Amino acid sequence: EDQVTQSPEALRLQEGESSSLNCSYTVSGLRGLFWYRQDPGKGPEFLFTLYSAGEEKEKERLKATLTKKESFLHITAPKPEDSATYLCAVQGDSGYALNFGKGTSLLVTP
Amino acid sequence: SQTIHQWPATLVQPVGSPLSLECTVEGTSNPNLYWYRQAAGRGLQLLFYSVGIGQISSEVPQNLSASRPQDRQFILSSKKLLLSDSGFYLCAWSRGLAGEQYFGPGTRLTVT
Repeated sequence: EDQVTQSPEALRLQEGESSSLNCSYTVSGLRGLFWYRQDPGKGPEFLFTLYSAGEEKEKERLKATLTKKESFLHITAPKPEDSATYLCAVQGDSGYALNFGKGTSLLVTP
Repeated sequence: SQTIHQWPATLVQPVGSPLSLECTVEGTSNPNLYWYRQAAGRGLQLLFYSVGIGQISSEVPQNLSASRPQDRQFILSSKKLLLSDSGFYLCAWSRGLAGEQYFGPGTRLTVT
């Protein structure tokens, strides 16, 4: 069974204080690993897809990386508007569902 | 560009009442469609997916059903709601069955 574990559950950063979020996963035949951003009361917003170990993708202050067992979402010099819950999901070869972790709640203070 | 709509945005229903949530996608044809539920403190759980009109697959046994009467319309229903049906319901679409899924704004359902 596919499993996704995200850590930490919550993270508080000062504006400009860089950090990383972790997503550990077990999956049968990885089709893709996905990162989403979710604001309170809204649907998840797609950020990145990673397909194979060693792959990296960047968008503004965010950079996602992938190994065979985990993915990191690096946040460089975050701003208060980066505050949100970040969700990680995997899709394996056993089905069509995205299997989500419980998310990391990020708060960036001025 | 593609847009996904859900309504209503919020809903408060008594136990035992029926339910109908609607999702529509614009700007694409023959999308794959999904219903997820997000409960407090838990990850998103896939409830149903559809690869075409009239084709529905259920991922978990439950009190809910889904239908796809048109190419870009997906409906989530229940004949009698339970307290445990409360949650945040999200519709999503994708171009293929592998790859990223794009989510709608969600419906917050409270069963009282």
